[in-house]
Amino acid sequence: GAVVSQHPSRVICKSGTSVKIECRSLDFQATTMFWYRQFPKQSLMLMATSNEGSKATYEQGVEKDKFLINHASLTLSTLTVTSAHPEDSSFYICSATRTGGMFGYTFGSGTRLTVV
Amino acid sequence: GDSVTQMEGPVTLSEEAFLTINCTYTATGYPSLFWYVQYPGEGLQLLLKATKADDKGSNKGFEATYRKETTSFHLEKGSVQVSDSAVYFCALSDPETSGSRLTFGEGTQLTVNP
Repeated sequence: GAVVSQHPSRVICKSGTSVKIECRSLDFQATTMFWYRQFPKQSLMLMATSNEGSKATYEQGVEKDKFLINHASLTLSTLTVTSAHPEDSSFYICSATRTGGMFGYTFGSGTRLTVV
Repeated sequence: GDSVTQMEGPVTLSEEAFLTINCTYTATGYPSLFWYVQYPGEGLQLLLKATKADDKGSNKGFEATYRKETTSFHLEKGSVQVSDSAVYFCALSDPETSGSRLTFGEGTQLTVNP
């Protein structure tokens, strides 16, 4: 079945530094990848949608310059949290699909980011 | 726009009890419907799905039927186990209006006690 690998699973960083999270589709080509943020005991909040080779589409209220998304290939998308602050601490989850979702959506295992 | 509403949690049951988690949706197109499960500290796993009216999705003893007339996709299991303790999310995909994105419900925390 389709597998999405997300790394790192946990990261602790200092305020003001940047953190990169990777999301890889291991056995299929992901035409579209999604990045979500999840607060404790809450649902997933879609941050942005990225299509391979084009700029990401950000949801309203998500800072493009703070959450940099790159989808340079059909198997890799990255989310970089720039100049991180404690309020950016959260659980970030990626998801990948091919052909507009017709074949379903596969989620990564998530990244717990803690900014100290 | 599209939306998904789940019954409020948390839900606490004893082992072998019957489970129902209600899910209703609003969509302008012909959505596909999903149930995802999230175990602590992990991402989401697809539990089951249905792509058209009257379809029944099933997996691991869980079932849900796509009811267009009531715009519902309620999750059921006849006999829950402790290992079913997790958060369950109902979701829809409506390509006609939302492209390839998923719209999630609020999630329902299920705790099964031995």
